[in-house]
Amino acid sequence: GAGVSQSPSNKVTEKGKDVELRCDPISGHTALYWYRQSLGQGLEFLIYFQGNSAPDKSGLPSDRFSAERTGGSVSTLTIQRTQQEDSAVYLCASLPGTASDTQYFGPGTRLTVL
Amino acid sequence: DQQVKQNSPSLSVQEGRISILNCDYTNSMFDYFLWYKKYPAEGPTFLISISSIKDKNEDGRFTVFLNKSAKHLSLHIVPSQPGDSAVYFCAAAANDYKLSFGAGTTVTVRA
Repeated sequence: GAGVSQSPSNKVTEKGKDVELRCDPISGHTALYWYRQSLGQGLEFLIYFQGNSAPDKSGLPSDRFSAERTGGSVSTLTIQRTQQEDSAVYLCASLPGTASDTQYFGPGTRLTVL
Repeated sequence: DQQVKQNSPSLSVQEGRISILNCDYTNSMFDYFLWYKKYPAEGPTFLISISSIKDKNEDGRFTVFLNKSAKHLSLHIVPSQPGDSAVYFCAAAANDYKLSFGAGTTVTVRA
């Protein structure tokens, strides 16, 4: 079956511009995560959605970052007024529901802010 | 503050030999540990996990060892194969949904 997909695969933008990154999770998966991986770093937790519960936004690095998940499926991560330090690979992952399940990752979006 | 550390950024091993990847953690509340494998331009894929009630878990060529007193885990791959060349991430969770990841170790298996 189809895995987690993300678009675009690569995004180059100028400092100060807004960007939107999209994640299509596996159908039926109720939980969705966003992570980012900066050069030489591990994956950094950004935000977690679980069903209709309020998302855990504790990992968002600043108020320039926001995310939403419409209809419990597709998710969009928005970065406003991008900065060069936002350059990273942004990964989305979904899982069927419980925390003990493994996460299924998408291929990521490589964001470069010039 | 990085709670999961992989101090070796890279490892080169001959095909057929053992690969040993190490991971240290600082949070004593972590009770579930995972290893992920990542190929270029792909997302990480789950490899093997271990809960804190065990000290060893084996799956084919992959074995994970957990030493809770030392806050250390390792992944053994034996025998190593060319297809094992990838980046390996160690991750840990403290009875919740948030995984903390290490920075990864790039493994290169030489023919």
